[in-house]
Amino acid sequence: DTAVSQTPKYLVTQMGNDKSIKCEQNLGHDTMYWYKQDSKKFLKIMFSYNNKELIINETVPNRFSPKSPDKAHLNLHINSLELGDSAVYFCASSQTASGRINEQFFGPGTRLTVL
Amino acid sequence: AQTVTQSQPEMSVQEAETVTLSCTYDTSESNYYLFWYKQPPSRQMILVIRQEAYKQQNATENRFSVNFQKAAKSFSLKISDSQLGDTAMYFCAFFRGGGADGLTFGKGTHLIIQP
Repeated sequence: DTAVSQTPKYLVTQMGNDKSIKCEQNLGHDTMYWYKQDSKKFLKIMFSYNNKELIINETVPNRFSPKSPDKAHLNLHINSLELGDSAVYFCASSQTASGRINEQFFGPGTRLTVL
Repeated sequence: AQTVTQSQPEMSVQEAETVTLSCTYDTSESNYYLFWYKQPPSRQMILVIRQEAYKQQNATENRFSVNFQKAAKSFSLKISDSQLGDTAMYFCAFFRGGGADGLTFGKGTHLIIQP
């Protein structure tokens, strides 16, 4: 009964390849996020999707594209992988509502290594 | 834009001692939420404690409590009776609230509990 799941947990690939990371949440939340944690452990928001609409798109290269087939899924596609894309990518979800703490629940992370 | 600063990259204490992790933030918002997340070596992000800015009372969760000073924009985490399992990275996070904003994280404090 995992709340937020990601696949794969580890991904090793060559520079220039295209890869995807999948995320699914079974919490009934309406907003999902992708975060990147770099080698210094710094976490930064990449994207969020609310009701299938992109809400935030920070200064992320357009090689990264989130795809949400439905409210429970937010996949991350990365084209032409570069060495600097090596990081841990976390998916998270929350229920947006004014007047309430919108706690974000995190997936286990995907460690991406680009060789 | 919000910023979150954690000035202690690493701390080490003996088991059963009390330890305080510091966090300051900068924002022009009047209402927001603050969180402490724990990331053990398993890399799972675990919510430790949360605080609404409009509440003056400091949040507590068992051995974890915060000292929230809104005017000073300070949000420190106190861990009482520290245990070996508390060894982890601790991240302070800011959330503007209301919409689908992502969390703004500090750079983290690596807390080591010595036996």
